[in-house]
Amino acid sequence: KNEVEQSPQNLTAQEGEFITINCSYSVGISALHWLQQHPGGGIVSLFMLSSGKKKHGRLIATINIQEKHSSLHITASHPRDSAVYICAVRSRGGADGLTFGKGTHLIIQP
Amino acid sequence: GAVVSQHPSRVICKSGTSVKIECRSLDFQATTMFWYRQFPKQSLMLMATSNEGSKATYEQGVEKDKFLINHASLTLSTLTVTSAHPEDSSFYICSAVPRPRGQETQYFGPGTRLLVL
Repeated sequence: KNEVEQSPQNLTAQEGEFITINCSYSVGISALHWLQQHPGGGIVSLFMLSSGKKKHGRLIATINIQEKHSSLHITASHPRDSAVYICAVRSRGGADGLTFGKGTHLIIQP
Repeated sequence: GAVVSQHPSRVICKSGTSVKIECRSLDFQATTMFWYRQFPKQSLMLMATSNEGSKATYEQGVEKDKFLINHASLTLSTLTVTSAHPEDSSFYICSAVPRPRGQETQYFGPGTRLLVL
């Protein structure tokens, strides 16, 4: 079973700061997802990665398959970025359902 | 982008009653839908995988007779919590994988918050 660890668990930063959230997993995967969950509970899929790097607006996600590690970066952070960011993996050869990390609770203060 | 809806968004019921939660893909067909559960302050946990036209596959520890899943069409999956108890109170989220198979992206519904009194 894949173990997914995220760090930090909680992060408070000032508006404009560069944010990094880390995710590591224990078993080889076929895909890694970064998700955003707002206080109401709804989940938005930000990225799906199997290798390399992806960028969307101010968000950048990278993955290192050899090291079993991924990072989510937010540039020029804004209070509206405040949310829980969740890393989830689909294990290679496993069922299609995702295994989730516990999430990183991000607060961006104005 | 692809949209997944859930209904109801919130439900309160008495202990012993059954509750049905619907998950619909609004603008795409979904071969597979997943049901997840999230307890307060905890991560999401996969409950079951729902494939259109076949029986659902349940994760270890999830009672299939308690959580009935029906994937009747390529756009609809339902989760019925039978004889609900207070410990079933949770946030239930579905996700859908667009057809054709091979795409890895999952689109998530907004979730259903269940409170059993």
